[in-house]
Amino acid sequence: AQSVTQPDIHITVSEGASLELRCNYSYGATPYLFWYVQSPGQGLQLLLKYFSGDTLVQGIKGFEAEFKRSQSSFNLRKPSVHWSDAAEYFCAVGALGTGRRALTFGSGTRLQVQP
Amino acid sequence: KAGVTQTPRYLIKTRGQQVTLSCSPISGHRSVSWYQQTPGQGLQFLFEYFSETQRNKGNFPGRFSGRQFSNSRSEMNVSTLELGDSALYLCASSLPRENTGELFFGEGSRLTVL
Repeated sequence: AQSVTQPDIHITVSEGASLELRCNYSYGATPYLFWYVQSPGQGLQLLLKYFSGDTLVQGIKGFEAEFKRSQSSFNLRKPSVHWSDAAEYFCAVGALGTGRRALTFGSGTRLQVQP
Repeated sequence: KAGVTQTPRYLIKTRGQQVTLSCSPISGHRSVSWYQQTPGQGLQFLFEYFSETQRNKGNFPGRFSGRQFSNSRSEMNVSTLELGDSALYLCASSLPRENTGELFFGEGSRLTVL
């Protein structure tokens, strides 16, 4: 069974500082990986996705993530955090090629940004 | 292009009642998935529909059901509500291509069971 672990429940960074959110996945086949962001009372917005190819993927709002197969990781990074980035971030894994769109989500990391 | 629309946004029910939630996908999207989000269990997959057929189902009791109409709109129903069913129910739509899984989420329907 596939699973996703986000080890950090809550992270606080200062505005302008760099950010890295960790994500480890477990899946027996070729995964496809996502990062979503959720603001309070809102749905989830896709930040970026990885299916294949270049292991460094660029997303919206200046985010990027790197897929490391050997470490089963897909960490999210941003060089300089803005106050508007405060939200909850979810990593998710899906099954490539099955035609199924059932994603397994991590438990989320809540990001707080200090002025 | 309009996004995924979920109605109602908020609702309060009492134990034992049933509830129906509605989801209108993005125009042209024929796949609709439902997720339950709670503080304790996080985001959990409920079911997925494509062309009016349920293609995949998560590990939820039979009280949770859904359907999809010919216009791709979907509804989910929860019967005999329990306190633990209080959650944000998120609907997501996607294009039915095999090698993609990008989901576009609505803002959710927040159900409170008293």
